[in-house]
Parts: sequence; structure tokens; C-alpha cells
Amino acid sequence: EVQLVESGGGLVQPGGSLRLSCAASGFTFSNYWMHWVRQAPGKGLVWVSRIHGDGRVTDSADSVKGRYTISRDNAKNTLYLQMKNLRAEDTAVYYCVREGWFVGSAFDIWGQGTRVTVSS
Amino acid sequence: QSVLTQPPSVSGAPGQRVTISCTGSSSNIGAGSDVHWYLQLPGTAPKLLIFGDSHRPSGVPDRISGSKSGTSASLAITGLQAEDEAAYYCQSYDTSLGGYVFGTGTEVTVL
Repeated sequence: EVQLVESGGGLVQPGGSLRLSCAASGFTFSNYWMHWVRQAPGKGLVWVSRIHGDGRVTDSADSVKGRYTISRDNAKNTLYLQMKNLRAEDTAVYYCVREGWFVGSAFDIWGQGTRVTVSS
Repeated sequence: QSVLTQPPSVSGAPGQRVTISCTGSSSNIGAGSDVHWYLQLPGTAPKLLIFGDSHRPSGVPDRISGSKSGTSASLAITGLQAEDEAAYYCQSYDTSLGGYVFGTGTEVTVL
């Protein structure tokens, strides 16, 4: 079964750091672009960052550039999101997402999400 | 930062047809970027509903359809059912922002 399972969320103080992980299974992880998408409480979906299958190309939304770093370990089939200098507005559920091959680059597999709360 | 605009809510009686619009600009939908649609039930992760403007992944019923014209796209649901009550989001790529963008989201209510 194709699956993405996030972990690492929690409560962190403003200015703090957190690393999210996403364990992938059921597909050849290194063949896919992977993304992080977040959703603030009661709000819509916002794209955060992406990384190529080989890990050499990354991209991020302006709102997180310089604070968030996406990375991957293909040997461990794991995607990461290192977040630093966190702000209250970073509070959200963070989804690990696969960009599909045969679906016009749509996001075809989503994890269940991990909740990040930035508060003092 | 949602650059794709959707109506906040649409509603219809069981069996009726509803449509959800997704209005973008010349830097995303109008630039030819594919439009994809997702359905999100309360408390769950989004699920892909339509990809590449109008294509359904396996398992999505044919009463769900998508279309695109100019700088806008639409999702249509015919034969509305109670299970269609959810939030729906469009998504595309914006060449000016250099990133992926989602719509503002639409809540569908079955009366």
C-alpha cells in the first residue's frame, strides 16, 4: 500500500525550531518529487516546499524561505522539513505530499498530517 | 497567499448539479498551467479528485467533471449526494510566484 506517515509535530515557542519527518512506503521514493503543504486552523491549503527525487533541487514559498529547509534521505525513504525561527503564523497541520507521475504532476498521495503549534 | 479565487460555499439538493469556479490569472491558469482539484472531508487529508484540468483518477465517479477556459476552471458535480459534502480546492502552478498555488476553497452543502 502506498503510504506517507508524518511525525515530529508539536508545541514550540516563537523563535524555536522543529523538524518534521515523513516516512514513505509502497513506492520507489527516489523517483518522485515530494512536497510539504500546510493548512492553518480553519484555513485553506498552502504549498510550502518541494524537493526533486535526487534531492538536488529544492523550492520554497517566499513565506518560509530562509527559515525552512526541505531535505530527503532516499536510503531511509524519508522526507524532512527543518523549520527554524518559527512564528505564530506557522501554526498549521503540515502534510507530506507526493507529486504523481501519471496525474499531470498533481498531488496524488497525501499523508495524514502532523500538527505544529507555535505559541508561548 | 491564495491567488486562485473560489466561492466560499455552494449548495444544492440531492440529485442536483452544482459547479465550483476557480478564477486565476495570466500567470497561472491563463498561462496554461494544469488545474487540479482536491476534496477534503472534515478532519482528513485532501484527496485528488481531478487532474490535468479534466481527468479523473481511478475510483472517482464520472458524475464529477472538470473543465478549463481562459484564466478560469470549473468543477461540476452532478447527481449530488450527501457524501459530497466537503471542502473542494483547485490548485495550479504560478509562473510569476514560481510556486504552486491553491484556491481559497469551497464548502459544498447538500440541502
